[in-house]
Amino acid sequence: AQSVTQLDSHVSVSEGTPVLLRCNYSSSYSPSLFWYVQHPNKGLQLLLKYTSAATLVKGINGFEAEFKKSETSFHLTKPSAHMSDAAEYFCVVSPLTGGGNKLTFGTGTQLKVEL
Amino acid sequence: GAGVSQSPRYKVAKRGQDVALRCDPISGHVSLFWYQQALGQGPEFLTYFQNEAQLDKSGLPSDRFFAERPEGSVSTLKIQRTQQEDSAVYLCASSLPGGLTDTQYFGPGTRLTVL
Repeated sequence: AQSVTQLDSHVSVSEGTPVLLRCNYSSSYSPSLFWYVQHPNKGLQLLLKYTSAATLVKGINGFEAEFKKSETSFHLTKPSAHMSDAAEYFCVVSPLTGGGNKLTFGTGTQLKVEL
Repeated sequence: GAGVSQSPRYKVAKRGQDVALRCDPISGHVSLFWYQQALGQGPEFLTYFQNEAQLDKSGLPSDRFFAERPEGSVSTLKIQRTQQEDSAVYLCASSLPGGLTDTQYFGPGTRLTVL
């Protein structure tokens, strides 16, 4: 069984300040972990993914996440928020196997960026 | 190239009607997934195809839900005798299996409203 918990349903930051979106996972086997972003009326877009290689993963648009097995966490960060980052963010877990990877999504974190 | 497309983008149905939702995956993608996203929630897995074979349908909520992919490309999700609780966004994703974790590319979704 696998699951993810996103600890904040809403996060609000000022433009230019750091972003931290928190995610804890539970998995009975080695997981793959992802962050997806969903802008209104657009499809889900992959930000980054962890697949048991480097624990610090860099993604698009300046986002990165660090896999911490001891803490079962995979928090998403960005040094400086931009207005265009306002969106819904989903932490996702999947078993580390080939093909047919059923994704299990968290409930999402709505990021608001204020001037 | 073109991404995953879904049609219709919006569907309003009266309770008891049957609906059919279409997904056109990225050309050449072998794997196709359907997810259901209720309002304010993360997407939940419904079913998975590899080519024309439906390998996992464990997420389909009832026998009113049926999915097919007869030629291994376009897929249709059919819901019979729709109920109000079927109101959600239905997301389709495709991937090209080739590694341990295959990135799933999502379409914009079909928003189904059952009155």
